[in-house]
Amino acid sequence: ILNVEQSPQSLHVQEGDSTNFTCSFPSSNFYALHWYRWETAKSPEALFVMTLNGDEKKKGRISATLNTKEGYSYLYIKGSQPEDSATYLCASPNAGGTSYGKLTFGQGTILTVHP
Amino acid sequence: NAGVMQNPRHLVRRRGQEARLRCSPVKGHSHVYWYRQLPEEGLKFMVYLQKENIIDESGMPKERFSAEFPKEGPSILRIQQVVRGDSAAYFCASSPTGQGYEQYFGPGTRLTVT
Repeated sequence: ILNVEQSPQSLHVQEGDSTNFTCSFPSSNFYALHWYRWETAKSPEALFVMTLNGDEKKKGRISATLNTKEGYSYLYIKGSQPEDSATYLCASPNAGGTSYGKLTFGQGTILTVHP
Repeated sequence: NAGVMQNPRHLVRRRGQEARLRCSPVKGHSHVYWYRQLPEEGLKFMVYLQKENIIDESGMPKERFSAEFPKEGPSILRIQQVVRGDSAAYFCASSPTGQGYEQYFGPGTRLTVT
């Protein structure tokens, strides 16, 4: 069974603060690591798909790093804005299962940015 | 550019009835996934389909649940003889390939069983 865990469960920051949160996953049989952003009443939206150890990806003020040897990924948000408030999910395809299409999601980090 | 569409958005069924949830993937996507979010829980994989084939159904309950993705038309998740425990949000996602590519999610169908 592939366990994907995220911390913290929730986070409250002030507008302008930078923040980061963690996704951990089993390092054996690594295939890929996905990050999604999920705003209330909307659909989960893909942020990054990361595949290489040491990979770093960036989209605007959001960036992510990947360490496949120790099994963790960090998501960073620089200069948080109220519109960044959302649940951030990481997910891993089940490399030990029957297909790479099956995403196992963490429980998410709920970010609230206060004006 | 239409994204993943799901209908209905809300569905109310009495115990024992059937529920049919529809998903139209992004145009050109031939891989469809269904996920379920039970109250107070995260997203859980149910089934992965490619046109006319079930690739991975390891997350599907053994009874009452079935899924299809015909050559023409939307993917259907069918729940027979619904029970209160089936009340959840059901999300469909699609991708152009199945090799760990990012998945595009629909808005979900919220099923309530009374």
